[in-house]
Amino acid sequence: HSVLTQPSSVSGAPGQRVTMSCTGSNSNIGAGHHVHWYQQFPGKAPQLLIYADNSRPAGVPDRFSGSRSGTSASLAITGLQAEDEADYFCQSYDTSLSTSKVFGTGTKVIV
Amino acid sequence: QVQLAQSGTEVKKPGSSVRVSCQAFGDTFGNDIINWVRQAPGQGLEWMARIIPVLGTLNYADSFQGRLTIGADTFTNSVYMDLTSLTSNDTATYFCARESIADDWLDAWGQGTLVIVSS
Repeated sequence: HSVLTQPSSVSGAPGQRVTMSCTGSNSNIGAGHHVHWYQQFPGKAPQLLIYADNSRPAGVPDRFSGSRSGTSASLAITGLQAEDEADYFCQSYDTSLSTSKVFGTGTKVIV
Repeated sequence: QVQLAQSGTEVKKPGSSVRVSCQAFGDTFGNDIINWVRQAPGQGLEWMARIIPVLGTLNYADSFQGRLTIGADTFTNSVYMDLTSLTSNDTATYFCARESIADDWLDAWGQGTLVIVSS
């Protein structure tokens, strides 16, 4: 189902910086559509982490940052903390599909 | 800030149907857009459909056309999702989520409803 590709996992020690990619195509990210990121803990609903490529909702630490370039986007976590261990999903819009939204395959962050 | 509360776990037989409901608290739907997203066990997120309750506007993912119906009850401030002809592939957690009016991010989520399809 996933149109956007993410690495299955990334890992880092506490305090380190980790990044994860979200790779799409010219019909979604490459077409200029914004990318949003969600954080999900086991057994919980996803929560909005980054919206419109690089904006943080109120309450999200500035350790989390996003960027978009070409057909890809990235999420970075600096000063990694144990509580950041979770699954992360990217989301965008695809003009070639009837679906309103497309999600990434998801990345597990291991601290 | 709106909060979304969903109905409880469902266990269904193959070939049957299921209804999952989602009620908003703390605010009315107003011009909100409510989406349905599902997640199979250990898998990623899959967008299913969206509704603008005040307008009755509906959009469905192609993969669910004919099996999925969504609707809203503005008096009870709730939306629902009906999925028919269930198979084991429909075993998943189903989420309702509010879409931002500014763009298409989902800024409030229900807690999720587990639907198990098993004979």
